[in-house]
Amino acid sequence: QIALKESGPALVKPTQTLTLTCSFSGFSLNTSGVGVSWIRQSPGKALEWLALIYWNDDKRYNPSLKNRLTITKDASKDQVVLTMTNMDPVDTATYYCAHRPRDWGFAVDSWGQGTLVTVSS
Amino acid sequence: SYELTQSPSVSVSPGQTARINCSGVLPKQYVHWYQQKPGQAPVLVIYKDEKRPSGIAERFSGSSSGTTVTLTISGVQAEDEADYYCQSTDSNPSMVFGGGTKLTVL
Repeated sequence: QIALKESGPALVKPTQTLTLTCSFSGFSLNTSGVGVSWIRQSPGKALEWLALIYWNDDKRYNPSLKNRLTITKDASKDQVVLTMTNMDPVDTATYYCAHRPRDWGFAVDSWGQGTLVTVSS
Repeated sequence: SYELTQSPSVSVSPGQTARINCSGVLPKQYVHWYQQKPGQAPVLVIYKDEKRPSGIAERFSGSSSGTTVTLTISGVQAEDEADYYCQSTDSNPSMVFGGGTKLTVL
């Protein structure tokens, strides 16, 4: 059974860098075709995809946020880390990580519970 | 930039059929659908246009016609009231979500 859980600070100040960790179980990021995505949702707004990392360390970023995002993995620890620089109040959102299975297109089939990050001074 | 367009809201009575459209899909790109209830993480209900993950009720189905893809919920139940998001990819490939449709069960 796949499970994911996000962790990180609940509150960050403007201009700071946010670091979020996704800890997962039930799958391996050493398995061909598998990936982990980060997705966020501002209060009352739609989902917004942020980044995706594959088993082979290939990475994809939302073009509008690419300059601020870095996604990395530690397959031995079953973790994926997302960093976002220069945080702004508009980045206040619930941040989710999700499992991208092999051969399902780019669907994500399992999500973490999400972690709310508030950006405020 | 690439966008997927959804109607903001759809309302149906219990037992009726709800259809939620997603337009602007690029050729040869799959669409996936997620259901999100208040305070919860999204749940995948349809992937690759029409496939249903295990555990998803048969009343959920997906179809595609040109650049418009449709999520159909047959025999809507009160528990289906939720926000529904389509998701696809562009040529990068980057993932893109639609703006979401709020389904209200009257």
